Amino acid sequence: DAKTTQPPSMDCAEGRAANLPCNHSTISGNEYVYWYRQIHSQGPQYIIHGLKNNETNEMASLIITEDRKSSTLILPHATLRDTAVYYCIVRVRNYGQNFVFGPGTRLSVLP
Amino acid sequence: DAGVIQSPRHEVTEMGQEVTLRCKPISGHNSLFWYRQTMMRGLELLIYFNNNVPIDDSGMPEDRFSAKMPNASFSTLKIQPSEPRDSAVYFCASSESNRGGNEKLFFGSGTQLSVL
Repeated sequence: DAKTTQPPSMDCAEGRAANLPCNHSTISGNEYVYWYRQIHSQGPQYIIHGLKNNETNEMASLIITEDRKSSTLILPHATLRDTAVYYCIVRVRNYGQNFVFGPGTRLSVLP
Repeated sequence: DAGVIQSPRHEVTEMGQEVTLRCKPISGHNSLFWYRQTMMRGLELLIYFNNNVPIDDSGMPEDRFSAKMPNASFSTLKIQPSEPRDSAVYFCASSESNRGGNEKLFFGSGTQLSVL
């Protein structure tokens, strides 16, 4: 059962910020929001995750709305190597819960 | 660390043959996951282990599929007998599972399986 909704595809110009939205309107208080990406023929790669507060790391920023019903992954300066499928996942905090991947958003960074 | 190591990278076999996929998780990780990816169905979780014990195998398609984790550093996924519809990329992933919620999955490079 998909808990997240993402647009199937997006384009972004190289060097510009890529903003990938995710809707998780049924998220519960103990569920984290995770983002992974999968570059063609490789295994998915962890990007970032958060619970309530906005998060930033060397790869991206995660903006979570105050009601936690949606979030945005921001790649500040997209490069051609960021072309990939991006997955937004919500997951319960307790150990033993699995990660369920939906269809994700196919981001194409254009030169 | 070398990351999650899967073998073989590619496997081509004939229908009816037994196939064994192998995975070495990252040292110190206590959870291991097997996923299957196809164009039609995307990434599907088949089974996951915690501390070498299978926790959820509800994603295993049928009895032809079996998975084992005899120790913390090795797992196998076996298909016997294999069928053409089993053709897919099989990924293994591991994580350091805890109750803090900061669990991150690390994936291997996958095994591309083709059953003719």
